Amino acid sequence: QQPVQSPQAVILREGEDAVINCSSSKALYSVHWYRQKHGEAPIFLMILLKGGEQKGHDKISASFNEKKQQSSLYLTASQLSYSGTYFCGTEDFGNEKLTFGTGTRLTIIP
Amino acid sequence: DAMVIQNPRYQVTQFGKPVTLSCSQTLNHNVMYWYQQKSSQAPKLLFHYYDKDFNNEADTPDNFQSRRPNTSFCFLDIRSPGLGDAAMYLCATRIGKGNQPQHFGDGTRLSIL
Repeated sequence: QQPVQSPQAVILREGEDAVINCSSSKALYSVHWYRQKHGEAPIFLMILLKGGEQKGHDKISASFNEKKQQSSLYLTASQLSYSGTYFCGTEDFGNEKLTFGTGTRLTIIP
Repeated sequence: DAMVIQNPRYQVTQFGKPVTLSCSQTLNHNVMYWYQQKSSQAPKLLFHYYDKDFNNEADTPDNFQSRRPNTSFCFLDIRSPGLGDAAMYLCATRIGKGNQPQHFGDGTRLSIL
């Protein structure tokens, strides 16, 4: 079942913060986050495995809730380079497959 | 430096004319995936190989087939392309086990005339 992301789209001014949510109807083994620019390949951002986990690098971080059904991606002090479509990818235990979420299109304007 | 290479980047074929897309990798990853991505949609998994084991998604049309002759190469064959098969096709690789990310190629954009 495809995870649902919210919002579907967001427009920010450079320097503003954004939160993107990814929700599943069942507990997950892991959640992956990717960013894809138009016409390009998805680029890996991070993986979260444990309930309650938070991780990040630079100004992009993410969390995985205790029940492992929701993850959020946090973008702080957004830069023009952050523009693109963000996908979460969820994985069931023992399964090598990712199911990508519905996607969130992020546009950063100067 | 490209580690997952897809050829060609753009492919135009005629309605009903078979077409093959290729993917090669220098990462020596044992898992390879083929995704179909239509405009403004998420990538949709068509099938994947875990080593030589082929795994087909239940809703992948019979029109789509794949071959993996060795670890480095994987092919997507579309036997009789229809207009609805026009899309970006993405290949990805991954180390099986160990919670590793998928590495994507730049994709092949397929157009059907």
